[in-house]
Amino acid sequence: AQSVTQPDIHITVSEGASLELRCNYSYGATPYLFWYVQSPGQGLQLLLKYFSGDTLVQGIKGFEAEFKRSQSSFNLRKPSVHWSDAAEYFCAVGMDSNYQLIWGAGTKLIIKP
Amino acid sequence: NAGVTQTPKFQVLKTGQSMTLQCAQDMNHEYMSWYRQDPGMGLRLIHYSVGAGITDQGEVPNGYNVSRSTTEDFPLRLLSAAPSQTSVYFCASSFGQNNEQFFGPGTRLTVL
Repeated sequence: AQSVTQPDIHITVSEGASLELRCNYSYGATPYLFWYVQSPGQGLQLLLKYFSGDTLVQGIKGFEAEFKRSQSSFNLRKPSVHWSDAAEYFCAVGMDSNYQLIWGAGTKLIIKP
Repeated sequence: NAGVTQTPKFQVLKTGQSMTLQCAQDMNHEYMSWYRQDPGMGLRLIHYSVGAGITDQGEVPNGYNVSRSTTEDFPLRLLSAAPSQTSVYFCASSFGQNNEQFFGPGTRLTVL
């Protein structure tokens, strides 16, 4: 069965430091890949998506993600985090065969001053 | 555009009560979904619709009903609330399959 794994439940990063959030998926073909962010008490907002083409995709708020087919990964990165980046981040995978997105359990990002 | 709206924002029910969570979108999206979000479990799909008059079950449909009489509205009905249905519920819509989903602000439901 298809699945999405975000191995880190929480990550703590100092303000100004770089960030990488991991996402691995299990799916035989090339998936559609998404990263969403959820600020406390809010709905989810799309950060970026990968459908095809260049495997390094740029998103909003200075985030980027790289699709690595050989590792079945789609890790999210930011070179320098800001206190306002504190939120929960979700990776999601879509497939041609199924409308339903498969969601990771989320990673909560904590920013140290 | 208001995007995706949900009402109410908060609701407390007693076990056995029924209620309807409302969801509306003004983007003319074909696809609409209902998710529940529980700590450590991400989002789980309850029901979804690919157009007016067409609905289907997601991962966790038991205890919930949906209908889609118009493109804009996609209400979620809890038939007989149970404490296990305490959760945050999100409605989402998208233009097509595997496109960006737009989320409402959520409804926090507590069942006592």
